[in-house]
Amino acid sequence: AQSVAQPEDQVNVAEGNPLTVKCTYSVSGNPYLFWYVQYPNRGLQFLLKYITGDNLVKGSYGFEAEFNKSQTSFHLKKPSALVSDSALYFCAVRDNTNAGKSTFGDGTTLTVKP
Amino acid sequence: EAGVAQSPRYKIIEKRQSVAFWCNPISGHATLYWYQQILGQGPKLLIQFQNNGVVDDSQLPKDRFSAERLKGVDSTLKIQPAKLEDSAVYLCASSLLSQGLNTEAFFGQGTRLTVV
Repeated sequence: AQSVAQPEDQVNVAEGNPLTVKCTYSVSGNPYLFWYVQYPNRGLQFLLKYITGDNLVKGSYGFEAEFNKSQTSFHLKKPSALVSDSALYFCAVRDNTNAGKSTFGDGTTLTVKP
Repeated sequence: EAGVAQSPRYKIIEKRQSVAFWCNPISGHATLYWYQQILGQGPKLLIQFQNNGVVDDSQLPKDRFSAERLKGVDSTLKIQPAKLEDSAVYLCASSLLSQGLNTEAFFGQGTRLTVV
């Protein structure tokens, strides 16, 4: 069975500092990996995805994520955090052998302080 | 481009009552998903449609939950009878069919259900 772990419930960073939100996964076959962000009272929004190719993928709002196959990780990063980045972030993995079923992590709350 | 539309936004019902949620996906999106998101947890897939056929409903509690997508466009999710543990946000999402597996999902704002 596929699974996603987001080991940190909460990440706090100061504005202007780099941020990392961690994600590890377990899946059969090649993984398709996604990051979504959820702002209060709004639906999940797609940030970026890894399908194949370069291990570093770039997405919306200056975010990027690094795929590491040996460590089965897909950490979300941003070089310089903004207060407006404060939100709930979800990592998801999709199994390419199971009709594309997605499994989400339990989320990490990012708080960026001025 | 219009997003995924869901209604109602909020619903409060008593246990053992029934409730239905409606979703209209983005035009042209063949795949439609219903997720349940309990507070403090990530979304859990309940059912996935491809056009009007069910692709995955392995986590749908079929004794009380049902869903349909009769014309391959909009969809309804029903709970009958509701239990206290059904209190959650119900999210609808859609994605392009294409290769199916590598396309991201677009989510609606969700319906927050409270069962009292």
